[in-house]
Amino acid sequence: AQTVTQSQPEMSVQEAETVTLSCTYDTSESDYYLFWYKQPPSRQMILVIRQEAYKQQNATENRFSVNFQKAAKSFSLKISDSQLGDAAMYFCAYRSAGGGGADGLTFGKGTHLIIQP
Amino acid sequence: GAVVSQHPSWVICKSGTSVKIECRSLDFQATTMFWYRQFPKQSLMLMATSNEGSKATYEQGVEKDKFLINHASLTLSTLTVTSAHPEDSSFYICSARELDRAHRGDTQYFGPGTRLTVL
Repeated sequence: AQTVTQSQPEMSVQEAETVTLSCTYDTSESDYYLFWYKQPPSRQMILVIRQEAYKQQNATENRFSVNFQKAAKSFSLKISDSQLGDAAMYFCAYRSAGGGGADGLTFGKGTHLIIQP
Repeated sequence: GAVVSQHPSWVICKSGTSVKIECRSLDFQATTMFWYRQFPKQSLMLMATSNEGSKATYEQGVEKDKFLINHASLTLSTLTVTSAHPEDSSFYICSARELDRAHRGDTQYFGPGTRLTVL
């Protein structure tokens, strides 16, 4: 079974600064997807960024980028120019690429991101 | 973007009663939907995978007779918590899989969740 570990229960950053959230995972599979989801107080899960394991290039979405290290099984999220609206729980998630895409997500425990004004 | 709705958003019921939660994909068809459970200040745990027209697949430790799942159409899956007890109180979230033809993979979109409180 796959596991996802987020070792930072809480992180705090000054507005406009950069913060990196850590995520490691354990799997014996070679093909899979990794995701970062954001869950604000409304509890609506919002996809932040995704990475296909077969791609070496790190995914980026505006102020959000990842550092994907497949050999080390590491998938960190960097948020640049932090904004107050970025405050939320951030979950790292794994999904197998097999099974015809019918597999659910395995989530880490989450990191609570606080933005200091 | 793809939108997934859940109904109700919040429900309180008495112990021993059954509660049905609906999950709908509003602007796309979803052959597969997923049901997750989230306890306060904890992560999401996959409960089951719901496939249109077939039986749901439950994760280890999830009682299929207690959490009945029906996926009768390509836009609707329902989760029924039968004979609910206080320990079933939780936040239930569904997601629907949209096949993304532009990419090799697919994207799952989440509903807003349903808070269940069993008295």
